Amino acid sequence: EPEVTQTPSHQVTQMGQEVILRCVPISNHLYFYWYRQILGQKVEFLVSFYNNEISEKSEIFDDQFSVERPDGSNFTLKIRSTKLEDSAMYFCASTEVGDRYEQYFGPGTRLTVT
Amino acid sequence: QKEVEQNSGPLSVPEGAIASLNCTYSDRVSQSFFWYRQYSGKSPELIMSIYSNGDKEDGRFTAQLNKASQYVSLLIRDSQPSDSATYLCAVMTDKLIFGTGTRLQVFP
Repeated sequence: EPEVTQTPSHQVTQMGQEVILRCVPISNHLYFYWYRQILGQKVEFLVSFYNNEISEKSEIFDDQFSVERPDGSNFTLKIRSTKLEDSAMYFCASTEVGDRYEQYFGPGTRLTVT
Repeated sequence: QKEVEQNSGPLSVPEGAIASLNCTYSDRVSQSFFWYRQYSGKSPELIMSIYSNGDKEDGRFTAQLNKASQYVSLLIRDSQPSDSATYLCAVMTDKLIFGTGTRLQVFP
């Protein structure tokens, strides 16, 4: 069964450094999403992406964040200058056709900012 | 502020019993509702979706939706210890909003 994949599984970085988290959505899916989950807290929406542009973003998704689909398979989340409070699990998700349909999540990247 | 509310639990049920998980949401225009299961340290796994009022059954799982009461529930029949996890209710408006989850413990 097709799955969303994410790399790396764990990323440790120093405060102020840039990180890029990578995702390969399910191949026939058209909508892509990033979420984060701080330890012990709820899953929070960051951004949705369709047709090579952002369709929705949350207030968390400020100028430090950007997303890109650099080729036909990868979907990336970049954090330009990491802060301690960016430490969280970051999940990529994808869905076949728009927001009515089920979103399937990747295994996540644990980001630790020291 | 659009909210999704769940009791954090833990909800403890014996093996073989029915587990009942509840969720309320604040945005009346919500049209799509989902239940995810999340094991500790893992990602959310979609187990049920429901879009119209009433019941939807899939194996041991039944989702129930009442839009007038802004209420969604999940029943798990014949609960197994492997069902022990956190169950996340998620509601789609312009984005998918998650509740904090209910931790279910099924004891042998």
